[in-house]
Amino acid sequence: QVQLVESGGGVVQPGRSLRLSCAVSGLTFSRSAMHWVRQAPGKGLEWVAVISFNGNNKYYANSVKGRFTISRDDSKNTLYLQMDSLRPDDTAVYFCAKEEMSPDCGGDCYPYFDYWGQGTLVIVSS
Amino acid sequence: EIVLTQSPGTLSLSPGERATLSCRATQSVRSNYLAWYQQKPGQGPRLLIYGASSGATGVPDRFRGSGSGTDFTLTINRLEPEDFAVYYCQQYGTSPITFGQGTRLDIK
Repeated sequence: QVQLVESGGGVVQPGRSLRLSCAVSGLTFSRSAMHWVRQAPGKGLEWVAVISFNGNNKYYANSVKGRFTISRDDSKNTLYLQMDSLRPDDTAVYFCAKEEMSPDCGGDCYPYFDYWGQGTLVIVSS
Repeated sequence: EIVLTQSPGTLSLSPGERATLSCRATQSVRSNYLAWYQQKPGQGPRLLIYGASSGATGVPDRFRGSGSGTDFTLTINRLEPEDFAVYYCQQYGTSPITFGQGTRLDIK
């Protein structure tokens, strides 16, 4: 049974930092590209960041580029999101999600998500 | 960026009825790379449909995806009590991937 369990959320002041974790079990983590997706209160879903299966490639949404860092520790089957210089508009539930791609996408491939965690709430407020 | 517009915003139906949810894109979704997710309160989204019409593992066959180009539909036949939730579409044919704003399916 696949499980993704996020932790590390909480209330933090603007400009401060927070690190989220996502513990993964039930799948071969080291072969999986992983993402963070967030959902502001009462809003839809927004993709945040991705890390490749081997950690060599990382990409970010423009809204978080330069402030957030995604990483992974395959020895612990854990995904991380280091969030620095937090702003009130970063307030959201943060989900980790496992990537899946269509096998016939050719060289221009983008993901959908076959497994998600339950999310962890981050509130940025003074 | 492809914008996905879901309609209606809220749909109120009774168990046993059929739900029809729409997702319209501002430009054609390449290769019909469109997914549907179900989200219940306090939970992460659950993948229902990918490739516009392929059912994800373990998803009941009352959930049917259809459509192509810019217009996609999620049909839920014979609504069960556990189907009342929020549904999102997502396109993954073009960067950046984008999500619709969601349709809330309420019990009437």
